[in-house]
Amino acid sequence: DGGITQSPKYLFRKEGQNVTLSCEQNLNHDAMYWYRQDPGQGLRLIYYSQIVNDFQKGDIAEGYSVSREKKESFPLTVTSAQKNPTAFYLCASSIEYVGQPQHFGDGTRLSIL
Amino acid sequence: AQKITQTQPGMFVQEKEAVTLDCTYDTSDQSYGLFWYKQPSSGEMIFLIYQGSYDEQNATEGRYSLNFQKARKSANLVISASQLGDSAMYFCAMREGHSGYSTLTFGKGTMLLVSP
Repeated sequence: DGGITQSPKYLFRKEGQNVTLSCEQNLNHDAMYWYRQDPGQGLRLIYYSQIVNDFQKGDIAEGYSVSREKKESFPLTVTSAQKNPTAFYLCASSIEYVGQPQHFGDGTRLSIL
Repeated sequence: AQKITQTQPGMFVQEKEAVTLDCTYDTSDQSYGLFWYKQPSSGEMIFLIYQGSYDEQNATEGRYSLNFQKARKSANLVISASQLGDSAMYFCAMREGHSGYSTLTFGKGTMLLVSP
């Protein structure tokens, strides 16, 4: 079955440590996205990529970095510069067309030790 | 200004009753799309229904329908015959033409609780 796989499901970060969240899709979608969700809040866009080797900052990119070396993969690194990284992170992919929904992975919960 | 406004932080409904979740949006684009997603407590985002700005008829998908009032810029989700499994967060979202339909803007969500 086609879909989006995020790993790990739970992740713990120590102070001053960088961590990388994995996102893989086999839907053959060109566009991929990373969102952050805080408790009781909506989704905020961190980064998105429309094609391989290209990506754009979203609304809250500070303290995060991404890469898009393959169409199927869009990993997110939460750097030590992100002072409040505890959140739920969702990855999505889609076809770039007004009527096409974004398809989401199951998310990664990141906590600070 | 918020692009997507969901004014109901929480809603309660009894099983088998219908419920309407409100969503208003703000855009100057002529071409845009409106989406509703469901997020159960497990966290995944489930796509429910889509309405295009040029669609003349309200979208329907099973028990879900979208009450689209373009002049009022509202896109309310109607769930008929609520079930216990409908208890979840519901998000309204919009894709706009000027951005090349690249990104979705989400509202803050409405928590729906269905009681027996």
